[in-house]
Amino acid sequence: EVQLVQSGAEVKKPGESLKISCKGSGYSFTTYWIAWVRQMPGKGLEWMGIIYPGDSDIRYSPSFQGQVTISDDKSISTAYLQWSSLKASDTAMYFCAAAGDFTRGFHYWGQGTLVTVSS
Amino acid sequence: QSALTQPASVSGSPGQSITISCTGTSSDVGGYNYVSWYQQHPGKAPKLMIYEVSNRPSGISNRFSGSKSGNTASLTISGLQAEDESDYYCSSYTDSAVLFGGGTKLTVL
Repeated sequence: EVQLVQSGAEVKKPGESLKISCKGSGYSFTTYWIAWVRQMPGKGLEWMGIIYPGDSDIRYSPSFQGQVTISDDKSISTAYLQWSSLKASDTAMYFCAAAGDFTRGFHYWGQGTLVTVSS
Repeated sequence: QSALTQPASVSGSPGQSITISCTGTSSDVGGYNYVSWYQQHPGKAPKLMIYEVSNRPSGISNRFSGSKSGNTASLTISGLQAEDESDYYCSSYTDSAVLFGGGTKLTVL
């Protein structure tokens, strides 16, 4: 059974750095794309970017290029989303999602990580 | 890249059918048969309901169906049930990326 387990909720101050994780299991980690999706409070889904652990192909939405960094550690089947300097506007729920072919939709989702940025 | 356009809300009575539209451009919805639909209940992760315009993943009820005409895709839910009350999002592949719609809140009256 494919499972994505995300790291726990975070409370940070503006300007701090953060790295959240998404650990995959039940499949070959290097053969599925993993995407990151933001959902601000009371708002819709926003696609941030995607990584293919097989060859570390990374693609960012223009809206998030330069704002976040997506990476992975194949040795522990984990993908990451990180910020170098958080803003209050980064407060949101962040989901990871996996697909063998991301053009065909994301069949598997993590439970979400709530990030709260407040002074 | 702008978000795909969905109605903010739709409603229907139990047993009725409803359709949610998703309008994009020839660079996304109109250019590829890679439209997906997701259901999201409050506080939960999204769930894939339709992929590649009209295909249902295993375990999804055949009351859910998808179609596309030009730059507009549609999700139809027939035989509405109380449990269908949720937020629904469309998405489309575009130029090595993915776009989501703004979401539609379905209310079952």
